[in-house]
Amino acid sequence: GEDVEQSLFLSVREGDSSVINCTYTDSSSTYLYWYKQEPGAGLQLLTYIFSNMDMKQDQRLTVLLNKKDKHLSLRIADTQTGDSAIYFCAEMAGGYNKLIFGAGTRLAVHP
Amino acid sequence: NAGVTQTPKFRVLKTGQSMTLLCAQDMNHEYMYWYRQDPGMGLRLIHYSVGEGTTAKGEVPDGYNVSRLKKQNFLLGLESAAPSQTSVYFCASNGQGATTDTQYFGPGTRLTVL
Repeated sequence: GEDVEQSLFLSVREGDSSVINCTYTDSSSTYLYWYKQEPGAGLQLLTYIFSNMDMKQDQRLTVLLNKKDKHLSLRIADTQTGDSAIYFCAEMAGGYNKLIFGAGTRLAVHP
Repeated sequence: NAGVTQTPKFRVLKTGQSMTLLCAQDMNHEYMYWYRQDPGMGLRLIHYSVGEGTTAKGEVPDGYNVSRLKKQNFLLGLESAAPSQTSVYFCASNGQGATTDTQYFGPGTRLTVL
């Protein structure tokens, strides 16, 4: 079945770049997403990438997709304390816009 | 435009009690979903609905029932709560066919079953 895997924790210094990695299994996924969850809140869509793209840039965010290796990454440039949150990778699978989520990567930003 | 709202925000139940979680959306979305979030496991789909009057099972449906009597509301019921159902529950909605719009999430309901 479909599965999405992420490392659980990442710690970076303020101002550095953060790279969060994700692997997925469903090669037929048309869209892949990155969501952000701040403490006590729901999930907020950060960005998405269509499966025929290799890269997408949106201000401080860069998404890289390696479809051959089924690997997705999210790079956050100039990481700030406000970026501290849990980041979820998700793939669309199984119809009706259903999403399969990874376990989430907790990003901690320290001075 | 409130987006997706959930009621209640917190609840504590005793084993065997029942309750209903309410999700409401004002975006005229066709698709609605219920997830549970547990530490280290991400979000898992419980049930979903692709339109008024329809429901379908997700990945972890056992112990839950749902109803979609009105397009804007999606109810999640626990008939006999168990400690294993202690979790944070999220509702989401999505416009039909709007894949790039993806899912909008509510703020969550934190449920503890003693």
